[in-house]
Amino acid sequence: AQSVAQPEDQVNVAEGNPLTVKCTYSVSGNPYLFWYVQYPNRGLQFLLKYITGDNLVKGSYGFEAEFNKSQTSFHLKKPSALVSDSALYFCAVREADNTGKLIFGQGTTLQVKP
Amino acid sequence: KAGVTQTPRYLIKTRGQQVTLSCSPISGHRSVSWYQQTPGQGLQFLFEYFSETQRNKGNFPGRFSGRQFSNSRSEMNVSTLELGDSALYLCASSLVGGQATGELFFGEGSRLTVL
Repeated sequence: AQSVAQPEDQVNVAEGNPLTVKCTYSVSGNPYLFWYVQYPNRGLQFLLKYITGDNLVKGSYGFEAEFNKSQTSFHLKKPSALVSDSALYFCAVREADNTGKLIFGQGTTLQVKP
Repeated sequence: KAGVTQTPRYLIKTRGQQVTLSCSPISGHRSVSWYQQTPGQGLQFLFEYFSETQRNKGNFPGRFSGRQFSNSRSEMNVSTLELGDSALYLCASSLVGGQATGELFFGEGSRLTVL
């Protein structure tokens, strides 16, 4: 069965410092991997995805993620954090079956302090 | 292009009642999925509809049901509401087939409170 783990409930970073939000996954076959962000009382906004190709994926708002097949990880990164990046981040996986069913991690709250 | 629209945004019901939530997908998107978000369980997949047919279902009791209309709009219904049904219900739409890019596009959600 597919699963996603986000080992940190919260990540605290100072503004201007690099940030990493961790995600590991388990899926049979080739994974489709996604990162979404959620601001308070809002829906989820798509940040980036890995389907195939280059292991380093660039997305919205300066975020990027690195797909590591041997470690089954897909960590979200940003070189320089902004206070406005503070939000709830979700990693998700879908088997390559082209459906709308995503398996989400529990989410990681990112707190960027000035 | 308009995004995914969910109505109502907020609603309060009492135990035993039923509720219907509506979702209008992005124009051209034929797949609509529903998710339940709670603090304790996180985001859980309810079901997915494509071309008016349910093609995926999560592990929820039969009180949770849905349907999709010919214009791709979808509704979900929860009958005999329980306190534990209080949650943010999120709808997402996506392209399917040759033009699919993989990601889901989410609405703002319908926040249901059961008293």
